[in-house]
Amino acid sequence: GAVVSQHPSRVICKSGTSVKIECRSLDFQATTMFWYRQFPKQSLMLMATSNEGSKATYEQGVEKDKFLINHASLTLSTLTVTSAHPEDSSFYICSATERGTEAFFGQGTRLTVV
Amino acid sequence: QKEVEQDPGPLSVPEGAIVSLNCTYSNSAFQYFMWYRQYSRKGPELLMYTYSSGNKEDGRFTAQVDKSSKYISLFIRDSQPSDSATYLCAMSVQGAQKLVFGQGTRLTINP
Repeated sequence: GAVVSQHPSRVICKSGTSVKIECRSLDFQATTMFWYRQFPKQSLMLMATSNEGSKATYEQGVEKDKFLINHASLTLSTLTVTSAHPEDSSFYICSATERGTEAFFGQGTRLTVV
Repeated sequence: QKEVEQDPGPLSVPEGAIVSLNCTYSNSAFQYFMWYRQYSRKGPELLMYTYSSGNKEDGRFTAQVDKSSKYISLFIRDSQPSDSATYLCAMSVQGAQKLVFGQGTRLTINP
């Protein structure tokens, strides 16, 4: 299957700082990328959908000013968690699709805000 | 009621057994059905992808979709300890768009 690389795999940051997470499609051009959040022993919840060159579409209840998404190229999307707080600690996972059918996931980023 | 229901388990079976994993759903508009495998602290890995109803086989894995019953299954034959992971079902109305995931079933294959 297609390869999606996510970086970093884990990050610890201080409360009030911002953290950027990168998601790259390595062997295909991702027309659309998705960002999910997963709490322990819970399922993945879609946060937002981004298309290259367009503003991201956020799911209900997700603060767009807190979770900034940039999809500047067909192979790279970034999620920036701004002014992070302990309740933002979670597992963030991106996925990408080339043709809009199968979605391939990155390895995930475990964010801990202290 | 959740859109997608999946028994979280845990499910523990001996090596070589046939494993059956299931999900039910309520949204009759779902057309795309997937199974992902997720190891601890890793991203989900796509195992099976099915459009509409029917069966699909890939090696030791078989996916079944019964849209009339709103029920999907994943069968694993000749299960191996390396199959131990959490299995997530996911589905959507439009391909990769707005995937709705089940809670995931934690599976352990005992040597």
